[in-house]
Amino acid sequence: GAVVSQHPSWVICKSGTSVKIECRSLDFQATTMFWYRQFPKQSLMLMATSNEGSKATYEQGVEKDKFLINHASLTLSTLTVTSAHPEDSSFYICSASLGQGPETQYFGPGTRLLVL
Amino acid sequence: RKEVEQDPGPFNVPEGATVAFNCTYSNSASQSFFWYRQDCRKEPKLLMSVYSSGNEDGRFTAQLNRASQYISLLIRDSKLSDSATYLCVSSGGYNKLIFGAGTRLAVHP
Repeated sequence: GAVVSQHPSWVICKSGTSVKIECRSLDFQATTMFWYRQFPKQSLMLMATSNEGSKATYEQGVEKDKFLINHASLTLSTLTVTSAHPEDSSFYICSASLGQGPETQYFGPGTRLLVL
Repeated sequence: RKEVEQDPGPFNVPEGATVAFNCTYSNSASQSFFWYRQDCRKEPKLLMSVYSSGNEDGRFTAQLNRASQYISLLIRDSKLSDSATYLCVSSGGYNKLIFGAGTRLAVHP
């Protein structure tokens, strides 16, 4: 149980295009989903917290107009990187929470984005 | 200053060795602590929670010292399969996880 999927697993795009990443909880309903970004040899950095049916809460320094988050249902959240640039190239990981404490946060396999 | 700090390593140890990782956190209000394991190009996976009383799970022992804001992970009888990056994690409010940058472990034959 507690499986989280992400799609796509990797994507290469040209600078200026937008990229959408999906995060799904496959066998449970997630009250909250989180989006992280990880640059090489660095820690996972929380970008935003997403609750179904409400606006995402973004961490300081994360541009909400650049990283659009939609949490349309209890099993799906999407992150759209708008007008992607090479510095947005990173490993994007989502997690879905059962809401029963931080240890019930389950991670997706991540999406590797390369912007040329 | 980073909220969770770890020695990046790498720690290169032979099979069977005992290795210890340390971690410090700056937010005294943090309530929960964890060790995660992350393999190359993969998502992090929960290894164990860390309690003030210390806790053990097989070859892994974790300890928390709230007064010193210090967390440790001890791995006994290292296996080749233990090679990975170990992430020290604290939890703030709203179930948010704050990750350290990780300590790399390489176990060799």
